Amino acid sequence: AQSVTQPDIHITVSEGASLELRCNYSYGATPYLFWYVQSPGQGLQLLLKYFSGDTLVQGIKGFEAEFKRSQSSFNLRKPSVHWSDAAEYFCAVVPDQTGANNLFFGTGTRLTVIP
Amino acid sequence: DAGITQSPRHKVTETGTPVTLRCHQTENHRYMYWYRQDPGHGLRLIHYSYGVKDTDKGEVSDGYSVSRSKTEDFLLTLESATSSQTSVYFCAISEAPRSQETQYFGPGTRLLVL
Repeated sequence: AQSVTQPDIHITVSEGASLELRCNYSYGATPYLFWYVQSPGQGLQLLLKYFSGDTLVQGIKGFEAEFKRSQSSFNLRKPSVHWSDAAEYFCAVVPDQTGANNLFFGTGTRLTVIP
Repeated sequence: DAGITQSPRHKVTETGTPVTLRCHQTENHRYMYWYRQDPGHGLRLIHYSYGVKDTDKGEVSDGYSVSRSKTEDFLLTLESATSSQTSVYFCAISEAPRSQETQYFGPGTRLLVL
């Protein structure tokens, strides 16, 4: 079945440490790729997106993500994590063969930041 | 932030009762969406609308209906609520299909069905 996989349910990092959140997808064609962040009790906010072109995408809040076609991955990175980055992060995919603007989400990775 | 409001923000209801959730936007976006968020499932699309009176089903549409009589409002109805519909419901909007446009999300409605 086609899917979006975030293999890490929960990650804990120290403030100032680097971060990488993993995302893999199983759709055949090159999809559109997104990372969203959800702070507690809040809606989702777009961090960054990839449609085409440069496979390294810069987003808000110092985040970046790299699309690797050979690995069907779109991992999110940040070189130095801040306490305010503690949240839940969702990878999402729009398969380009669909006829509508549907986002399929991964199950999320909860990030805890320790001092 | 995109102008999206959802009402109510919290609701507790009993099994078998009808429930209607409202999404209101001030952005004049054509596309609107209803998602539910459950632990271990991320967000799943319930229904979406691509214009006034134009709607279609998402991946988890059973037990839900929607209506869109105005560009700015998209209603989600649970005709007879069940405990399995306890969830957090998010509305989203976008200007165009196929996600060349970002989807913007509302703050969510937390629904508890007893």
